[in-house]
Amino acid sequence: AQSVTQLDSQVPVFEEAPVELRCNYSSSVSVYLFWYVQYPNQGLQLLLKYLSGSTLVKGINGFEAEFNKSQTSFHLRKPSVHISDTAEYFCAVNGNTGKLIFGQGTTLQVKP
Amino acid sequence: EAGVTQFPSHSVIEKGQTVTLRCDPISGHDNLYWYRRVMGKEIKFLLHFVKESKQDESGMPNNRFLAERTGGTYSTLKVQPAELEDSGVYFCASSPLSYSGNTIYFGEGSWLTVV
Repeated sequence: AQSVTQLDSQVPVFEEAPVELRCNYSSSVSVYLFWYVQYPNQGLQLLLKYLSGSTLVKGINGFEAEFNKSQTSFHLRKPSVHISDTAEYFCAVNGNTGKLIFGQGTTLQVKP
Repeated sequence: EAGVTQFPSHSVIEKGQTVTLRCDPISGHDNLYWYRRVMGKEIKFLLHFVKESKQDESGMPNNRFLAERTGGTYSTLKVQPAELEDSGVYFCASSPLSYSGNTIYFGEGSWLTVV
């Protein structure tokens, strides 16, 4: 069985500060890892994904994530956030079936 | 190219009524998925179509939910009769057939409120 834990339900941060959203996963098989973002009143949009290769993955809007197999983590980072990054962020894993298992979501609140 | 489209975007119905949600996947995508997020909970998988066939329906909560995919194109998800706990947002997603970490593209969701 696979599971995903997002350790923080809400992360408040000031504009231009760095941010890290934490994600840990559990799986008995190799996985693909994803971060999706949901802006207010919009659908889910892919930020980035890890399939294989380099453990540091760069995504859209200046976000990046690092796959750490030993710690079973896939934390999302951005060095300097903007007001427009305010959204809910979801970490997800996928074995090889196309069925995504999501974490509970982390709401990023960027304050001016 | 059009993305995954869902209809209606919002729906408010009374307990006991029927609602049908529709999803049009990205053209050429044989995989179609339904997910649901009820208030305060995580997004959960409902079922997976490959073309017109149900590949995995392990996430369907009970027999009040019926999903179909006519001719392997659009899909509908019917809730009959609706209960209060069915309120939430229903996401449809699609991806190409040959999945190897392909991106799964999501629609904007259908927000269902049962009163």
